Amino acid sequence: QLLLQESGPGLVKPSETLSLTCTVSGSSISSTTYYWGWVRQPPGKGLEWIGSISYGGSTYYNPSLKSRVTISVDTSKNQFSLKLSSVTAADTAVYYCATDPNPIAFDIWGQGTLVTVSS
Amino acid sequence: EIVLTQSPGTLSLSPGERATLSCRASQRVSSSYLAWYQQRPGQAPRLLIYSASVRAADIPNRFSGSGSGTDFTLTISRLEPEDFAVYYCQHYGSSLLTFGGGTKVEIK
Repeated sequence: QLLLQESGPGLVKPSETLSLTCTVSGSSISSTTYYWGWVRQPPGKGLEWIGSISYGGSTYYNPSLKSRVTISVDTSKNQFSLKLSSVTAADTAVYYCATDPNPIAFDIWGQGTLVTVSS
Repeated sequence: EIVLTQSPGTLSLSPGERATLSCRASQRVSSSYLAWYQQRPGQAPRLLIYSASVRAADIPNRFSGSGSGTDFTLTISRLEPEDFAVYYCQHYGSSLLTFGGGTKVEIK
């Protein structure tokens, strides 16, 4: 069974880059044909898709965040990662990593990690 | 860009009652690309329905999805205590995912 676990700093300063990693267990990233993605949820608000990366390495980003987002895969560590640059308080949220064999939805989710942007 | 509008914002019902949640798209979408999620407090979202009407693995059959074009519905036939949560619809199109604003189902 595929399991996901987010990790990274819980506090990031304004204007800096938020970096999170999602560790995959239960299968090798390089042996699957899955889509790997990130979704965030500001406190008390709804879900926002950040972006996804396919098993072939193609990336897809939310247009509203595209200029600041990079998603990549590290097959040697069985991880995929999120980088969000020039953060502001509006980027404070619970960040989830998620995956599915199909790009249309996410069936497997990590537990989420809260990232607060504050000086 | 597709905008998904969910209604009502909050639904107050009693256990055992039927819940009907609406998701309206700003333009016609393929039902193949419409999904529903449940999110309980403090938990990650859980995929309930994909392709508008197909239940995900291990989802009880009291959950059903329907609709086409711009109007989609999630129905919970008889609410169980664990069903009181927030529900989101989601669309996939042009390699992008969009979520609706959510409907909270609360105990009356």
